[in-house]
Amino acid sequence: KAGVTQTPRYLIKTRGQQVTLSCSPISGHRSVSWYQQTPGQGLQFLFEYFSETQRNKGNFPGRFSGRQFSNSRSEMNVSTLELGDSALYLCASSLQGGNQPQHFGDGTRLSIL
Amino acid sequence: GNSVTQMEGPVTLSEEAFLTINCTYTATGYPSLFWYVQYPGEGLQLLLKATKADDKGSNKGFEATYRKETTSFHLEKGSVQVSDSAVYFCALNAGGTSYGKLTFGQGTILTVHP
Repeated sequence: KAGVTQTPRYLIKTRGQQVTLSCSPISGHRSVSWYQQTPGQGLQFLFEYFSETQRNKGNFPGRFSGRQFSNSRSEMNVSTLELGDSALYLCASSLQGGNQPQHFGDGTRLSIL
Repeated sequence: GNSVTQMEGPVTLSEEAFLTINCTYTATGYPSLFWYVQYPGEGLQLLLKATKADDKGSNKGFEATYRKETTSFHLEKGSVQVSDSAVYFCALNAGGTSYGKLTFGQGTILTVHP
């Protein structure tokens, strides 16, 4: 069974640009969650999608947005990039997103110059 | 709000030593608890879980028991190997409307020497 796939693995952008990250969940999983990992703040929850609907959102500015498609694949978008957005962005999927274990991808490393 | 506190690291051990990584939590209701491990350059892998009080999660020689009275979920292993060197994260899902949200501890770096 294929795991969670995130693309691209690495991205380099400059301040002010925007970026889109992609996540393909494990087959049959309908819940996709996104996290930001930085050395200073650790792992922080961004948002969760289930059946194309955002059900939960963390404390991030509106520049961070996402969506989910009918095949459960998800994208995350960050607009007007800032230096502080440099991080590892992790996607995780689970069957229905309750207290079930989440399965993580290897992440997208975003660097802002 | 919900929070998870892990023992400060890093932790350095010799091969075959006993491992304990402390984890305590604050949450309303009855959270589910998890331990994840992260190897360099990779995402997080689920190590074990427990969904109710007194449950013991176990996997690959690692164990943790959900202790509601002490709000703890300490990770233990009787004999560590060099290959266990990684970062370990304790996490909780608070249930209810916490859809798909894991709250993580700050992580504990474990280094095992031969």
